[in-house]
Amino acid sequence: DAGVIQSPRHEVTEMGQEVTLRCKPISGHNSLFWYRQTMMRGLELLIYFNNNVPIDDSGMPEDRFSAKMPNASFSTLKIQPSEPRDSAVYFCASSRPGRRNYGYTFGSGTRLTVV
Amino acid sequence: SQQGEEDPQALSIQEGENATMNCSYKTSINNLQWYRQNSGRGLVHLILIRSNEREKHSGRLRVTLDTSKKSSSLLITASRAADTASYFCATDATLNYGGSQGNLIFGKGTKLSVKP
Repeated sequence: DAGVIQSPRHEVTEMGQEVTLRCKPISGHNSLFWYRQTMMRGLELLIYFNNNVPIDDSGMPEDRFSAKMPNASFSTLKIQPSEPRDSAVYFCASSRPGRRNYGYTFGSGTRLTVV
Repeated sequence: SQQGEEDPQALSIQEGENATMNCSYKTSINNLQWYRQNSGRGLVHLILIRSNEREKHSGRLRVTLDTSKKSSSLLITASRAADTASYFCATDATLNYGGSQGNLIFGKGTKLSVKP
C-alpha cells in the first residue's frame, strides 16, 4: 500500500490566492482527518470525515477554509483567500473502521507558505 | 485546545541510554496513543494503549497508563541515534454518554535527541 498520499508537498502562494490541498487516504480506511501543524499551536484538528461525511468541522479556523470528500478515495482542503497566518504544514490522516482500536496513518504533509 | 501535555519538552541523551517521556491529559479517554515524527515528515503511529490497560510493550518501547492520575509514559530502551525525533501523545476522549469523541487530540510533543 502506498500509504496516505498528499499533494503538493510544498506550496508557495501570494496572499489572497486560492490554495487547494489534496489527499488520497488508504484504501479501506473510512475515516479521514485534516490537521494543521505550527510551532506555536502544535497539531490542530481542522475537520474529520467518517464514510465521506463531515462529522466535526469545529476546528476550521474560519469561513475561508472548506473541505470536501466527494468519494472514499479523495479529499480536498481549500483556503480562499489565503493569508500569511495560514502558513503551516497541513497533514491528512486516515484510519480504518473501528478506529478506537487502531492508530492513524499520516501523509507526508503539505508545507504551505503564504507570502 | 490541547488535551495531552508532554514532559519534558526536550530531552538529550547518549546512545544506549533509556529515554522516558511523560504525557498528562485532562479528560476521560478511550485510548491513548504515541506517535513519532522525524523532522520534515509525517507522524508515525507507535503504540496504542486502551483505558483498561496499564502497560504495553512493542519491541524497545514500553508504555504505561495511569487513568487515576490521567498520565502516561513512553520508555524507549537502549536508544539509538535513529530514535532522534519528536514524540507525541494523543488521546481519544470519551464523550459524556460513553462514546468516543471520534478523533485524536495531540500534545505538543517531546523532542528527543540521541547522540552517537
